[in-house]
Amino acid sequence: DAGVTQSPTHLIKTRGQQVTLRCSPKSGHDTVSWYQQALGQGPQFIFQYYEEEERQRGNFPDRFSGHQFPNYSSELNVNALLLGDSALYLCASSFSTSQYFGPGTRLTVL
Amino acid sequence: QKEVEQNSGPLSVPEGAIASLNCTYSDRGSQSFFWYRQYSGKSPELIMFIYSNGDKEDGRFTAQLNKASQYVSLLIRDSQPSDSATYLCAVAPGGGGSNYKLTFGKGTLLTVNP
Repeated sequence: DAGVTQSPTHLIKTRGQQVTLRCSPKSGHDTVSWYQQALGQGPQFIFQYYEEEERQRGNFPDRFSGHQFPNYSSELNVNALLLGDSALYLCASSFSTSQYFGPGTRLTVL
Repeated sequence: QKEVEQNSGPLSVPEGAIASLNCTYSDRGSQSFFWYRQYSGKSPELIMFIYSNGDKEDGRFTAQLNKASQYVSLLIRDSQPSDSATYLCAVAPGGGGSNYKLTFGKGTLLTVNP
């Protein structure tokens, strides 16, 4: 039984570019949440998707957008990248109980 | 601003000792409480969750919750060097945890010395 998977593992972009990160939830999980973790900080909630709709959103600008597909997988898109967007991006999947994290995507913005 | 506070550490304990990790939260409406372990360069791994006041034990780990004091703790008995990691406390406003955003503390770095 595969756990939560994310791609790519690492990514290097330059300021102003756009990036798409992908997440496949654990089998049987229908809810996907995205978090941003800066170095030395706890994860910060970006948004959550359920039934292909954004159910909740944290304090992130509209440059951060997402999508959930019918198979429950999800994408996180970030436009007009800033240096401060450099972080570990975590996807968490869940079904009725706790949230389980994938390995994350390390994004570096130069 | 709903906050979760943890001592950043590092907390250093000898092998075999009990490690005690503490967390306070500001939102009295919080219903679900989670402890995650994060090794350096890795993603958070769920250790335990607790919803009700009191203690919950799972192997060497015990979570303790006191909603009146807005305090949650994690005890690790017989600490091993492999327990050396950052421990993240997270809270959610509803029961179950899956349907709600998790608010995390910054984590406490635990070092277990052989």
